[in-house]
Amino acid sequence: AQKVTQAQTEISVVEKEDVTLDCVYETRDTTYYLFWYKQPPSGELVFLIRRNSFDEQNEISGRYSWNFQKSTSSFNFTITASQVVDSAVYFCALSGMDSSYKLIFGSGTRLLVRP
Amino acid sequence: KAGVTQTPRYLIKTRGQQVTLSCSPISGHRSVSWYQQTPGQGLQFLFEYFSETQRNKGNFPGRFSGRQFSNSRSEMNVSTLELGDSALYLCASSGTSGIVTEQFFGPGTRLTVL
Repeated sequence: AQKVTQAQTEISVVEKEDVTLDCVYETRDTTYYLFWYKQPPSGELVFLIRRNSFDEQNEISGRYSWNFQKSTSSFNFTITASQVVDSAVYFCALSGMDSSYKLIFGSGTRLLVRP
Repeated sequence: KAGVTQTPRYLIKTRGQQVTLSCSPISGHRSVSWYQQTPGQGLQFLFEYFSETQRNKGNFPGRFSGRQFSNSRSEMNVSTLELGDSALYLCASSGTSGIVTEQFFGPGTRLTVL
């Protein structure tokens, strides 16, 4: 069975602090995809990144970076120099290779960045 | 390029009624997926349609159904509404077949069942 665990329910930081959101996944598939989405108060899920299981290279996009480690089944997300606009709920998700777009989501981490 | 649109944005119904939600994917996208988001269960996959065919279905009762039209627009229907059906229903569209790409989500329809 596929499962995504985001153990951190809520994180509160002060602006400009760095923060890491954890994501641990379970799957029996050898090929799979991992995603991060951001959900601001408006409710719409905003796509942040997609990573396939064969690409363990870490990725950096501006203040955002992702660390994918197959050995520990983790796909963690770090925001550097956090800003108030980063306040949102962040979801990690997993998709298998059954050619459909079924995403298995974690329970989400609510990030509050205080000024 | 216009994003995913969902109508209506808000809906209030009473128990026992039925409801139809609509989703228009990004132009050119052929896959539409539906998700239910509740505080207790989180984000759960309902079903996915590609070229008018249901390709995958989540673990929901038969009261939840959907369809996709030839223009890729999709509707989902919930019959005999229960209080527990109150949720944010999100629709997502994707462009290609056989390759898992990112899904683009709409703003959602917030359904309240009284």
